Amino acid sequence: DAGVIQSPRHEVTEMGQEVTLRCKPISGHDYLFWYRQTMMRGLELLIYFNNNVPIDDSGMPEDRFSAKMPNASFSTLKIQPSEPRDSAVYFCASSFGGQGYGYTFGSGTRLTVV
Amino acid sequence: QKEVEQNSGPLSVPEGAIASLNCTYSDRGSQSFFWYRQYSGKSPELIMSIYSNGDKEDGRFTAQLNKASQYVSLLIRDSQPSDSATYLCAVDQGGTSYGKLTFGQGTILTVHP
Repeated sequence: DAGVIQSPRHEVTEMGQEVTLRCKPISGHDYLFWYRQTMMRGLELLIYFNNNVPIDDSGMPEDRFSAKMPNASFSTLKIQPSEPRDSAVYFCASSFGGQGYGYTFGSGTRLTVV
Repeated sequence: QKEVEQNSGPLSVPEGAIASLNCTYSDRGSQSFFWYRQYSGKSPELIMSIYSNGDKEDGRFTAQLNKASQYVSLLIRDSQPSDSATYLCAVDQGGTSYGKLTFGQGTILTVHP
């Protein structure tokens, strides 16, 4: 298996632009997580899905952020409009069976909003 | 807010020494505990999981869990420069937050030759 695949690896965009991050989880995994990592706040859970259904989006900072999982092999995280404070590394992770199983992380997307 | 706290770093140990990383958690309902290693510029990588009180050994790594004290630790024996990384403790939320992990802030470990 190729692991969790994220794209793009790096994204530089101007404030106000729309940004879309993409994730392909490991085949067969039924949980998908979106995390954001910064030096100040560490790893923060934004939203997670179980069997393509959003379970908890309480970590989504504000309405500018949205996430979808149209099928078991694809998810997107969208920021519209982007702001400089959104600059961070965004990780997607997947797991099988939920509780008791560790996550496998993707390589991450480093987002810079200027 | 369910919290996971790790001992403040950075931690510096000489090559060959034992590195001890500590973590406390607030949710008594938590059942699963994990240690991740993150090299600079890379993604977190799962290195240990533990579910029962006591010790679990895997090569040079030993995870220790004490649910009564709400404490989990990671020992790295015979530390190598290649162990230099940030170590993240992760704890499941328990209860209704099935499948959700909370991560600590991480401890930066440096192993110097």
